[in-house]
Amino acid sequence: AQSVTQLGSHVSVSEGALVLLRCNYSSSVPPYLFWYVQYPNQGLQLLLKYTSAATLVKGINGFEAEFKKSETSFHLTKPSAHMSDAAEYFCAVSRNSGNTPLVFGKGTRLSVIA
Amino acid sequence: GAVVSQHPSWVICKSGTSVKIECRSLDFQATTMFWYRQFPKQSLMLMATSNEGSKATYEQGVEKDKFLINHASLTLSTLTVTSAHPEDSSFYICSAKVGARSTDTQYFGPGTRLTVL
Repeated sequence: AQSVTQLGSHVSVSEGALVLLRCNYSSSVPPYLFWYVQYPNQGLQLLLKYTSAATLVKGINGFEAEFKKSETSFHLTKPSAHMSDAAEYFCAVSRNSGNTPLVFGKGTRLSVIA
Repeated sequence: GAVVSQHPSWVICKSGTSVKIECRSLDFQATTMFWYRQFPKQSLMLMATSNEGSKATYEQGVEKDKFLINHASLTLSTLTVTSAHPEDSSFYICSAKVGARSTDTQYFGPGTRLTVL
């Protein structure tokens, strides 16, 4: 069974600083991995996804993530944080091949300090 | 991009009543829709998977007689919380998927906040 672990329920960075949100996965088969962002009282928006093509995936809003099989990681980064990046971020993995839903991590709340 | 809407965005009801939540894919036909539940400061927990024209597949521990799902068309799925109780208060989020592959993107609705008094 697939699962993801997000290290750190809350991350706080200064505006302009590097953003690093950690995600480790567990999967018995090659995984498909996703990062979603959720703003307060809203649904989820896809930031980026890894589907076994390039290991470095670029997403929207300047975010990117690198798939590292040896470390079973898919950390999300952004070179310079903006106030508007403050939100909840979820890492997710597809459960298995075929038409299946996503399994989400517990989420990491990102705060950006002016 | 693809848009998924939910209605209502929030609802307050009395204990014992039923509440229906609609999930619509506005500009695409969804092969599959999913219903999630999110408690405060927690992750999304999958409740059920819904395919148009067939019965929903419920996750273990989710009462199918309490959470009725109807997927009447490729653009509409409904979740009815029957005989709601305060412990059913939560944020309910639906998502819709265009294709049938794991790599196909799930598009999420804005969520419905249910408060049961």
